[in-house]
Amino acid sequence: NAGVMQNPRHLVRRRGQEARLRCSPMKGHSHVYWYRQLPEEGLKFMVYLQKENIIDESGMPKERFSAEFPKEGPSILRIQQVVRGDSAAYFCASSATSGRRHEQFFGPGTRLTVL
Amino acid sequence: LAKTTQPISMDSYEGQEVNITCSHNNIATNDYITWYQQFPSQGPRFIIQGYKTKVTNEVASLFIPADRKSSTLSLPRVSLSDTAVYYCLVGERNTGFQKLVFGTGTRLLVSP
Repeated sequence: NAGVMQNPRHLVRRRGQEARLRCSPMKGHSHVYWYRQLPEEGLKFMVYLQKENIIDESGMPKERFSAEFPKEGPSILRIQQVVRGDSAAYFCASSATSGRRHEQFFGPGTRLTVL
Repeated sequence: LAKTTQPISMDSYEGQEVNITCSHNNIATNDYITWYQQFPSQGPRFIIQGYKTKVTNEVASLFIPADRKSSTLSLPRVSLSDTAVYYCLVGERNTGFQKLVFGTGTRLLVSP
């Protein structure tokens, strides 16, 4: 059973370009979460999605950031017109619809560098 | 969500037992305590979760006193590969969703 997959692992963009980060949850998981981690800091929650629905986007910046989790395919975190401050590691996690622990399983992350 | 406080860093040697204490004075009745481990360049990994008293699994033990205002993660006989950042999280275990709030964690360095 493969774990949470994220790609690309490393992404370099110039200011003003768009960044697309992909996340495939674990098999059977229908809940996806995105977190951002700046150097030497803990992870910060961004958004929680279920299939085709955004449940909680309270951690998402109001502009330039969007997320989706379509019926088919991976979840996408999209950052438009990137700026240097967007440079960070972006982690995706998934969890099952039910379960005793409601544990979140994390992917390896995508490291975004904005030049 | 309850705020947590834990030491910024700890040092240990191989074979020793390591205890990392986390304070969560404002923990609510429905809150659970969860610990995650993060290696460099990797996503966090669930270690253990508990509500009260003691929980033990193949990796660690979690001690929670009766007032639940703190908890202690115990790692028996650490090895070099236990060098990582350990996060203590407190939150309500709602059905299907738990919004995780990470602090800065405790950076554990295990030396030979």
